[in-house]
Amino acid sequence: EADIYQTPRYLVIGTGKKITLECSQTMGHDKMYWYQQDPGMELHLIHYSYGVNSTEKGDLSSESTVSRIRTEHFPLTLESARPSHTSQYLCASSEWDVEETQYFGPGTRLLVL
Amino acid sequence: KNQVEQSPQSLIILEGKNCTLQCNYTVSPFSNLRWYKQDTGRGPVSLTIMTFSENTKSNGRYTATLDADTKQSSLHITASQLSDSASYICVVTDRGSTLGRLYFGRGTQLTVWP
Repeated sequence: EADIYQTPRYLVIGTGKKITLECSQTMGHDKMYWYQQDPGMELHLIHYSYGVNSTEKGDLSSESTVSRIRTEHFPLTLESARPSHTSQYLCASSEWDVEETQYFGPGTRLLVL
Repeated sequence: KNQVEQSPQSLIILEGKNCTLQCNYTVSPFSNLRWYKQDTGRGPVSLTIMTFSENTKSNGRYTATLDADTKQSSLHITASQLSDSASYICVVTDRGSTLGRLYFGRGTQLTVWP
């Protein structure tokens, strides 16, 4: 079992609210990632980080923002939630090694009404 | 265009039976291919990883094969159990970027019935 945690697991919120999805890992991994996954669809990378103070946008355009102030913590923020943001958000981390296997958290299921 | 296609989209089998899931990819240049298992409501968990030079890799009742020439992979599950019910995702990494860009398939949804 990977030591990567996400909170909340489920979130129902109204349009226009600001939300922050938390992700933390205790494995000391430098690389961290945020993915968005809709039912029956593939994972899409929305943000990633190589380490502290490093953040980059992924392949899928997202209105969310991320920060990496500490190695173990990689929160994702939506300033103003909309129904189109309804999805599952998965956080992952990996080491700088040959295989770079990504370890995933349990995900946050977000429903914006 | 780099893509990962999986088949079948869904599969139902009886407990104790074997099954094989397929993955075709067009990702180039190729670095490695992974199979992940994703239980409902959970994040994916890595089952196997294979590089260009590896043809087969086993993890318990899971056996993955890779044909880098035809760009095809398969995941064979032996003596299925109810706990095997999950989505199985094929993920291919390219080596053309520093990040090691991952390309995800949509997964095969496997249901094992008693």
